[in-house]
Amino acid sequence: DGGITQSPKYLFRKEGQNVTLSCEQNLNHDAMYWYRQDPGQGLRLIYYSQIVNDFQKGDIAEGYSVSREKKESFPLTVTSAQKNPTAFYLCASSTELEQGVHFGDGTRLSIL
Amino acid sequence: KQEVTQIPAALSVPEGENLVLNCSFTDSAIYNLQWFRQDPGKGLTSLLLIQSSQREQTSGRLNASLDKSSGRSTLYIAASQPGDSATYLCAVQNYNTDKLIFGTGTRLQVFP
Repeated sequence: DGGITQSPKYLFRKEGQNVTLSCEQNLNHDAMYWYRQDPGQGLRLIYYSQIVNDFQKGDIAEGYSVSREKKESFPLTVTSAQKNPTAFYLCASSTELEQGVHFGDGTRLSIL
Repeated sequence: KQEVTQIPAALSVPEGENLVLNCSFTDSAIYNLQWFRQDPGKGLTSLLLIQSSQREQTSGRLNASLDKSSGRSTLYIAASQPGDSATYLCAVQNYNTDKLIFGTGTRLQVFP
C-alpha cells in the first residue's frame, strides 16, 4: 500500500545528543513537510521541501536540520541546539496542491 | 500572516446529535482547505479536502463547506457516534507560500 512511514515510533534523546527521525514515502509526492505538535496545541511547521535537493525553513526551524537527497526520503535531525525537543513529530507529503496533504503516524521524542 | 482559528476548543455531546465545528482563517488567498481527524497519540487522517473554487464536499455523515470571502469553513457531522470522538483539525494551504497552516483543533467527545 502507498503511504508515509515514520520511524521510530518512540525516540529518546540524551542531553547534547543529535537524533534523526526518518520519513519515507512511496506516493511519488514532490513535496514533503515536518511538523511539531505539543500537547494541546496545533501543528507548527519546522521545514518543508518542494523538490529534491531543495528545502525551506518553516516557522520553528531553529535547532533542526533536514536533507532531501531522494524524492522518497526527508529525514529530520533534532540537534543539541534544540533545548526543548520533547514533542510529537509528524511528517507529511503532497503532490500537486489540489490533492491535499497526507500524514505519517508520527514519532514521539522524549528527553532522558 | 495567515492565522487559523477553531471554535469550540472542546465539545461533549450525547450520541445521535448533529454537530457543527467551525474554522476561520484571516487570509482568503488559499489553494484549499482540509479537515483532518486525529486520534490520541496518532497521526492525522484526512477527512475532506475543499478546493478554493468549491463550496462544499461530502463524505458519508460528514459535510464541509467553504466560504472564502468570509474566511470560514464548517464541518457538519450528522448523527454523531462514540467512534467520532477525536480531535478535528482544519488547515489551509496558502496561495503565496504553499505552506499548510493549522488551527489548534476541536476536541470532540461523543458519549453513549
